[in-house]
Amino acid sequence: ILNVEQSPQSLHVQEGDSTNFTCSFPSSNFYALHWYRWETAKSPEALFVMTLNGDEKKKGRISATLNTKEGYSYLYIKGSQPEDSATYLCAPLHSSNTGKLIFGQGTTLQVKP
Amino acid sequence: EPEVTQTPSHQVTQMGQEVILRCVPISNHLYFYWYRQILGQKVEFLVSFYNNEISEKSEIFDDQFSVERPDGSNFTLKIRSTKLEDSAMYFCASSVWQSNTEAFFGQGTRLTVV
Repeated sequence: ILNVEQSPQSLHVQEGDSTNFTCSFPSSNFYALHWYRWETAKSPEALFVMTLNGDEKKKGRISATLNTKEGYSYLYIKGSQPEDSATYLCAPLHSSNTGKLIFGQGTTLQVKP
Repeated sequence: EPEVTQTPSHQVTQMGQEVILRCVPISNHLYFYWYRQILGQKVEFLVSFYNNEISEKSEIFDDQFSVERPDGSNFTLKIRSTKLEDSAMYFCASSVWQSNTEAFFGQGTRLTVV
């Protein structure tokens, strides 16, 4: 069973603060890592799909890094805004022959104006 | 922008009844999935579907569950005889390819079994 851990479970920050959270996963047989943002009453939305060790991806104020050797990924949000409030989910894949996403429990971010 | 649509948004059913949850994936996608989230728990994979057959399924996806792509657009999840523990939010997703391409999720169907 793939064990995916995300920390912290929840986070409260002020508007303008920068923040980051972690996704940990088994490093063996790594193939890809997905990050999703899930706003309340909406569908999960893909942020990044990362495959290479040392990869860094950026979308606006959100960026992510990947360390496949030690089995973790960081998600950073620079200058948090209230609209960033959501649950952020990561899901590693350990084979190219599967699309089965094994999600962590998520980090719920609340940004106060 | 293309999106995955699910109907109904909320379904209440009596224990033992059959339910069918419906999804319309994005039209050029080849892989289709069902996930569920029981309240307070992680989002769990149920099944993936490709080329008109199940490509992978989880332990949750037992004989009470089935999936079908009855025409070129719909993708359905049937639960034959619902149990109280089937109450969850069910998400449909689709992707162009598997593993290294993003999956697009629908807004979910909240199933309540009473």
